[in-house]
Amino acid sequence: AQTVTQSQPEMSVQEAETVTLSCTYDTSESDYYLFWYKQPPSRQMILVIRQEAYKQQNATENRFSVNFQKAAKSFSLKISDSQLGDAAMYFCAYRSAFDEYGNKLVFGAGTILRVKS
Amino acid sequence: EAGVTQFPSHSVIEKGQTVTLRCDPISGHDNLYWYRRVMGKEIKFLLHFVKESKQDESGMPNNRFLAERTGGTYSTLKVQPAELEDSGVYFCASSQFSLAGDRDTQYFGPGTRLTVL
Repeated sequence: AQTVTQSQPEMSVQEAETVTLSCTYDTSESDYYLFWYKQPPSRQMILVIRQEAYKQQNATENRFSVNFQKAAKSFSLKISDSQLGDAAMYFCAYRSAFDEYGNKLVFGAGTILRVKS
Repeated sequence: EAGVTQFPSHSVIEKGQTVTLRCDPISGHDNLYWYRRVMGKEIKFLLHFVKESKQDESGMPNNRFLAERTGGTYSTLKVQPAELEDSGVYFCASSQFSLAGDRDTQYFGPGTRLTVL
Protein backbone atom coordinates (compact mmCIF):
# COMPACT_ATOMS: atom_id res chain seq x y z
CA ALA A 1 0.00 0.00 0.00
CA GLN A 2 1.13 3.50 -0.71
CA THR A 3 2.00 5.86 2.12
CA VAL A 4 2.70 9.58 2.27
CA THR A 5 4.77 11.19 5.02
CA GLN A 6 4.96 14.84 5.93
CA SER A 7 7.62 15.14 8.59
CA GLN A 8 6.99 18.79 9.49
CA PRO A 9 3.86 19.23 11.63
CA GLU A 10 4.35 23.02 11.64
CA MET A 11 6.42 25.55 9.74
CA SER A 12 6.76 29.31 9.98
CA VAL A 13 7.89 31.82 7.40
CA GLN A 14 8.32 35.57 7.33
CA GLU A 15 6.17 37.43 4.85
CA ALA A 16 7.94 37.81 1.45
CA GLU A 17 10.39 35.01 2.20
CA THR A 18 10.58 31.49 0.81
CA VAL A 19 9.59 28.29 2.56
CA THR A 20 9.82 24.63 1.57
CA LEU A 21 7.42 21.97 2.81
CA SER A 22 8.62 18.37 2.71
CA CYS A 23 6.81 15.27 1.54
CA THR A 24 8.04 11.74 0.96
CA TYR A 25 6.05 8.80 -0.27
CA ASP A 26 6.39 5.09 -0.67
CA THR A 27 5.12 3.16 -3.67
CA SER A 28 6.10 0.30 -5.91
CA GLU A 29 4.24 1.78 -8.87
CA SER A 30 6.04 3.42 -11.76
CA ASP A 31 3.32 5.85 -12.74
CA TYR A 32 1.29 8.02 -10.41
CA TYR A 33 0.26 11.56 -9.59
CA LEU A 34 1.30 13.76 -6.70
CA PHE A 35 -0.60 16.74 -5.35
CA TRP A 36 -0.35 19.54 -2.86
CA TYR A 37 -3.63 20.72 -1.37
CA LYS A 38 -4.09 23.79 0.81
CA GLN A 39 -6.77 24.18 3.49
CA PRO A 40 -7.03 27.70 4.92
CA PRO A 41 -8.58 28.00 8.39
CA SER A 42 -12.31 27.20 8.29
CA ARG A 43 -12.29 26.98 4.53
CA GLN A 44 -12.31 24.17 2.05
CA MET A 45 -9.34 22.39 0.65
CA ILE A 46 -8.12 23.55 -2.73
CA LEU A 47 -5.60 22.09 -5.15
CA VAL A 48 -2.35 24.03 -5.23
CA ILE A 49 -0.26 22.04 -7.66
CA ARG A 50 -0.15 18.68 -9.42
CA GLN A 51 2.76 16.60 -10.70
CA GLU A 52 2.64 13.59 -13.01
CA ALA A 53 5.36 11.06 -12.24
CA TYR A 54 6.27 10.43 -15.87
CA LYS A 55 7.05 14.10 -16.40
CA GLN A 56 10.56 14.99 -15.35
CA GLN A 57 9.92 18.71 -15.37
CA ASN A 58 8.88 20.12 -12.00
CA ALA A 59 5.41 21.66 -11.93
CA THR A 60 5.03 25.35 -11.16
CA GLU A 61 2.00 27.54 -10.45
CA ASN A 62 2.90 31.17 -9.97
CA ARG A 63 4.67 31.41 -6.60
CA PHE A 64 4.31 27.68 -5.95
CA SER A 65 6.75 25.14 -7.34
CA VAL A 66 7.72 21.58 -6.54
CA ASN A 67 10.96 19.69 -6.35
CA PHE A 68 10.07 16.21 -7.56
CA GLN A 69 12.78 13.61 -6.98
CA LYS A 70 11.36 10.34 -8.28
CA ALA A 71 14.25 8.12 -7.30
CA ALA A 72 14.25 9.51 -3.77
CA LYS A 73 10.42 9.47 -3.66
CA SER A 74 10.41 13.06 -2.52
CA PHE A 75 7.95 15.80 -3.48
CA SER A 76 8.59 19.10 -1.71
CA LEU A 77 6.60 22.31 -2.17
CA LYS A 78 8.36 25.66 -2.38
CA ILE A 79 6.40 28.82 -1.75
CA SER A 80 8.19 31.98 -2.88
CA ASP A 81 7.41 35.51 -1.73
CA SER A 82 5.15 34.19 1.03
CA GLN A 83 1.96 36.11 1.68
CA LEU A 84 -0.35 36.22 4.69
CA GLY A 85 -2.97 34.40 2.62
CA ASP A 86 -0.65 31.41 2.30
CA ALA A 87 -1.22 30.56 5.95
CA ALA A 88 -3.01 27.22 5.92
CA MET A 89 -2.71 23.48 6.44
CA TYR A 90 -0.93 21.92 3.48
CA PHE A 91 -1.53 18.31 2.53
CA CYS A 92 0.60 16.22 0.23
CA ALA A 93 -1.31 13.49 -1.61
CA TYR A 94 -0.63 10.55 -3.91
CA ARG A 95 -2.83 8.87 -6.48
CA SER A 96 -2.18 5.84 -8.59
CA ALA A 97 -2.29 6.19 -12.36
CA PHE A 98 -3.67 2.68 -12.74
CA ASP A 99 -7.40 2.32 -13.00
CA GLU A 100 -7.54 -0.94 -11.08
CA TYR A 101 -6.32 0.87 -7.97
CA GLY A 102 -9.14 3.36 -8.19
CA ASN A 103 -9.04 7.07 -8.04
CA LYS A 104 -8.55 7.57 -4.32
CA LEU A 105 -6.08 10.04 -2.89
CA VAL A 106 -3.63 8.94 -0.21
CA PHE A 107 -2.80 11.86 2.06
CA GLY A 108 -0.04 12.81 4.43
CA ALA A 109 -0.82 14.12 7.92
CA GLY A 110 -0.44 17.74 6.87
CA THR A 111 1.83 20.68 7.68
CA ILE A 112 0.53 23.84 9.30
CA LEU A 113 2.16 26.88 7.70
CA ARG A 114 2.19 30.12 9.69
CA VAL A 115 3.12 33.36 7.95
CA LYS A 116 4.51 36.18 10.08
CA SER A 117 4.07 39.80 9.12
CA GLU B 1 -20.44 27.66 -10.42
CA ALA B 2 -21.27 26.37 -6.96
CA GLY B 3 -18.62 24.25 -5.28
CA VAL B 4 -19.03 21.07 -3.29
CA THR B 5 -21.30 21.67 -0.32
CA GLN B 6 -21.70 19.63 2.83
CA PHE B 7 -24.32 19.65 5.54
CA PRO B 8 -24.20 20.03 8.46
CA SER B 9 -20.95 21.86 9.10
CA HIS B 10 -20.86 20.54 12.67
CA SER B 11 -22.66 17.74 14.45
CA VAL B 12 -22.44 16.73 18.09
CA ILE B 13 -24.16 13.49 19.06
CA GLU B 14 -24.16 10.96 21.85
CA LYS B 15 -22.58 7.55 21.46
CA GLY B 16 -25.15 5.14 20.07
CA GLN B 17 -27.10 7.75 18.16
CA THR B 18 -27.42 8.03 14.40
CA VAL B 19 -26.08 10.82 12.23
CA THR B 20 -26.51 11.45 8.52
CA LEU B 21 -24.10 13.63 6.61
CA ARG B 22 -24.94 15.05 3.24
CA CYS B 23 -22.78 16.04 0.28
CA ASP B 24 -23.82 17.91 -2.84
CA PRO B 25 -21.17 17.61 -5.55
CA ILE B 26 -20.46 20.10 -8.28
CA SER B 27 -23.19 19.83 -10.91
CA GLY B 28 -22.23 17.42 -13.66
CA HIS B 29 -19.60 15.61 -11.64
CA ASP B 30 -20.17 11.89 -11.88
CA ASN B 31 -17.47 11.00 -9.36
CA LEU B 32 -18.07 11.55 -5.67
CA TYR B 33 -15.69 10.63 -2.86
CA TRP B 34 -15.90 10.50 0.91
CA TYR B 35 -12.82 10.94 3.10
CA ARG B 36 -12.35 11.23 6.85
CA ARG B 37 -9.73 12.89 9.02
CA VAL B 38 -9.47 11.75 12.58
CA MET B 39 -7.88 14.37 14.86
CA GLY B 40 -4.25 15.01 13.94
CA LYS B 41 -4.01 12.10 11.56
CA GLU B 42 -4.05 11.60 7.81
CA ILE B 43 -7.11 12.13 5.70
CA LYS B 44 -8.31 8.64 4.83
CA PHE B 45 -10.34 7.55 1.84
CA LEU B 46 -13.72 5.98 2.60
CA LEU B 47 -15.41 5.35 -0.72
CA HIS B 48 -15.92 6.43 -4.32
CA PHE B 49 -19.16 6.65 -6.30
CA VAL B 50 -19.43 6.83 -10.05
CA LYS B 51 -22.90 8.16 -10.58
CA GLU B 52 -25.05 6.03 -8.26
CA SER B 53 -22.71 3.01 -8.20
CA LYS B 54 -20.10 2.31 -5.55
CA GLN B 55 -16.84 2.05 -7.49
CA ASP B 56 -14.60 1.49 -4.48
CA GLU B 57 -15.66 1.16 -0.86
CA SER B 58 -12.44 -0.33 0.41
CA GLY B 59 -11.98 2.44 2.99
CA MET B 60 -15.28 2.03 4.80
CA PRO B 61 -14.32 1.13 8.38
CA ASN B 62 -17.21 -1.18 9.24
CA ASN B 63 -20.87 -1.89 8.65
CA ARG B 64 -21.98 0.96 10.88
CA PHE B 65 -21.28 3.24 7.94
CA LEU B 66 -23.72 3.35 5.04
CA ALA B 67 -23.25 5.58 2.01
CA GLU B 68 -25.83 6.17 -0.67
CA ARG B 69 -26.07 8.23 -3.79
CA THR B 70 -29.56 7.79 -5.14
CA GLY B 71 -30.03 9.20 -8.63
CA GLY B 72 -26.36 9.96 -8.95
CA THR B 73 -26.64 13.46 -7.50
CA TYR B 74 -26.15 14.14 -3.81
CA SER B 75 -24.79 11.57 -1.40
CA THR B 76 -25.46 10.73 2.22
CA LEU B 77 -23.22 9.02 4.72
CA LYS B 78 -25.01 7.54 7.69
CA VAL B 79 -23.30 6.38 10.85
CA GLN B 80 -25.45 4.07 12.96
CA PRO B 81 -24.80 3.61 15.83
CA ALA B 82 -22.07 6.18 16.29
CA GLU B 83 -19.03 5.34 18.41
CA LEU B 84 -16.46 7.63 20.04
CA GLU B 85 -13.81 6.73 17.45
CA ASP B 86 -16.05 8.01 14.66
CA SER B 87 -15.29 11.59 15.69
CA GLY B 88 -13.44 13.57 13.06
CA VAL B 89 -13.93 15.68 9.97
CA TYR B 90 -15.72 14.05 7.05
CA PHE B 91 -14.84 15.46 3.66
CA CYS B 92 -16.63 15.01 0.41
CA ALA B 93 -15.03 15.61 -2.97
CA SER B 94 -16.20 15.40 -6.55
CA SER B 95 -14.58 15.18 -9.95
CA GLN B 96 -15.88 15.29 -13.47
CA PHE B 97 -13.90 12.31 -14.66
CA SER B 98 -11.68 9.68 -13.14
CA LEU B 99 -8.17 9.09 -14.37
CA ALA B 100 -8.42 11.62 -17.15
CA GLY B 101 -5.40 13.85 -16.74
CA ASP B 102 -6.21 17.37 -15.60
CA ARG B 103 -9.93 16.73 -15.87
CA ASP B 104 -10.04 14.40 -12.88
CA THR B 105 -9.09 16.94 -10.25
CA GLN B 106 -10.97 16.30 -7.03
CA TYR B 107 -12.73 19.36 -5.62
CA PHE B 108 -13.35 19.24 -1.90
CA GLY B 109 -16.18 20.44 0.27
CA PRO B 110 -15.61 22.27 3.57
CA GLY B 111 -16.16 19.12 5.61
CA THR B 112 -18.50 18.11 8.41
CA ARG B 113 -16.99 18.04 11.87
CA LEU B 114 -18.54 15.15 13.79
CA THR B 115 -18.14 14.88 17.54
CA VAL B 116 -19.38 11.76 19.31
CA LEU B 117 -19.66 12.13 23.09
